[in-house]
Amino acid sequence: DAGVTQSPTHLIKTRGQQVTLRCSPKSGHDTVSWYQQALGQGPQFIFQYYEEEERQRGNFPDRFSGHQFPNYSSELNVNALLLGDSALYLCASSFGTGAGELFFGEGSRLTVL
Amino acid sequence: AQKITQTQPGMFVQEKEAVTLDCTYDTSDQSYGLFWYKQPSSGEMIFLIYQGSYDEQNATEGRYSLNFQKARKSANLVISASQLGDSAMYFCAMRHLISNFGNEKLTFGTGTRLTIIP
Repeated sequence: DAGVTQSPTHLIKTRGQQVTLRCSPKSGHDTVSWYQQALGQGPQFIFQYYEEEERQRGNFPDRFSGHQFPNYSSELNVNALLLGDSALYLCASSFGTGAGELFFGEGSRLTVL
Repeated sequence: AQKITQTQPGMFVQEKEAVTLDCTYDTSDQSYGLFWYKQPSSGEMIFLIYQGSYDEQNATEGRYSLNFQKARKSANLVISASQLGDSAMYFCAMRHLISNFGNEKLTFGTGTRLTIIP
């Protein structure tokens, strides 16, 4: 049973560019949440997708957007990249929108130069 | 607003000794839950243990136990008989409702880097 898979694992972008990160949830899960983990910090909630809609959003600008597909997989898009967007982006999946049983992927490490 | 505080940036512990990682929290919610996660260098957050705010017994999972003191708002993780493989970042996190429709998120602390010395 595959867990949460994320791609790419590492990527380097320059300021102003756009990036798309992908997440496949654990089998049987229908909800995907995205978290940003800056170096030396704990993860911060970006947003949650359920039934192909953004359900809740943390304190992140509109440059951060997402999508959920009918197969429950999800994408995180970041436009107009800033140096401060450099971080590990973690995807977490669950069955339903509660946080009681979140399964995390290994993350996508984004470096913005 | 919810807040998790972990005051130990790093800890060094001799192999086979027990270690306590500190976590205090702040919330005005009556119902909440507290987690501990382990994050190895691979990046994945690995669930260790969970304590609900209404659970009367302290949670235990193998070598992990959670020392829950509700009045003090603390939820310390105790690892008994530490092993070299326990070296990693450890995060305390709190689950809480963010909508009236059952949406929840986790709020994390800044973590503690645990190093086990042979």
